[in-house]
Amino acid sequence: AQKVTQAQTEISVVEKEDVTLDCVYETRDTTYYLFWYKQPPSGELVFLIRRNSFDEQNEISGRYSWNFQKSTSSFNFTITASQVVDSAVYFCALSEANTGNQFYFGTGTSLTVIP
Amino acid sequence: EAGVAQSPRYKIIEKRQSVAFWCNPISGHATLYWYQQILGQGPKLLIQFQNNGVVDDSQLPKDRFSAERLKGVDSTLKIQPAKLEDSAVYLCASSSSLGPFEAFFGQGTRLTVV
Repeated sequence: AQKVTQAQTEISVVEKEDVTLDCVYETRDTTYYLFWYKQPPSGELVFLIRRNSFDEQNEISGRYSWNFQKSTSSFNFTITASQVVDSAVYFCALSEANTGNQFYFGTGTSLTVIP
Repeated sequence: EAGVAQSPRYKIIEKRQSVAFWCNPISGHATLYWYQQILGQGPKLLIQFQNNGVVDDSQLPKDRFSAERLKGVDSTLKIQPAKLEDSAVYLCASSSSLGPFEAFFGQGTRLTVV
């Protein structure tokens, strides 16, 4: 069973628009961690954020914000006022406490920001 | 701080040939991972090391893939013999310890098997 689902395969927005990337996860663990990574064309996965299952506080970092809702098993990522440099593939990942920090990645959402 | 180094960046081989990838993690990072990323998919864990011991290799096709991490630092991943379906990007990552710490990824090795 897919532990992390990113239903949006590709998204295109015009520069300065806001965009939300969806992530739905599945786990039976009570202790788990959620991550977002960015993969630019260079190929390297860049860490963006980590959230643990006991902290549902939303987080904002500059133009990035994350909305964690345990009730819907979602961990969505919003980019405000998108820029061309935001164009990349974004991956949501889940790590469960009882599986030694193995990351289960979603299939990714390819974001294109059009100037 | 230097990041995770991987080589080569690109490799093209014929099926049934062998190939090896090298990874140098961030200094001091005890946990090292190898992931396979097939085009259009998310990375899939192949093997995870803690120092020089294997933590998880349940998804490593052991009939053709092997990996080692001698002295708990550098690691090599080998495929022998390669199949067409092994065409993918092989990503190495490291984290400071075993636990829910963020992993830092290298740029990967893009393997094409023809």
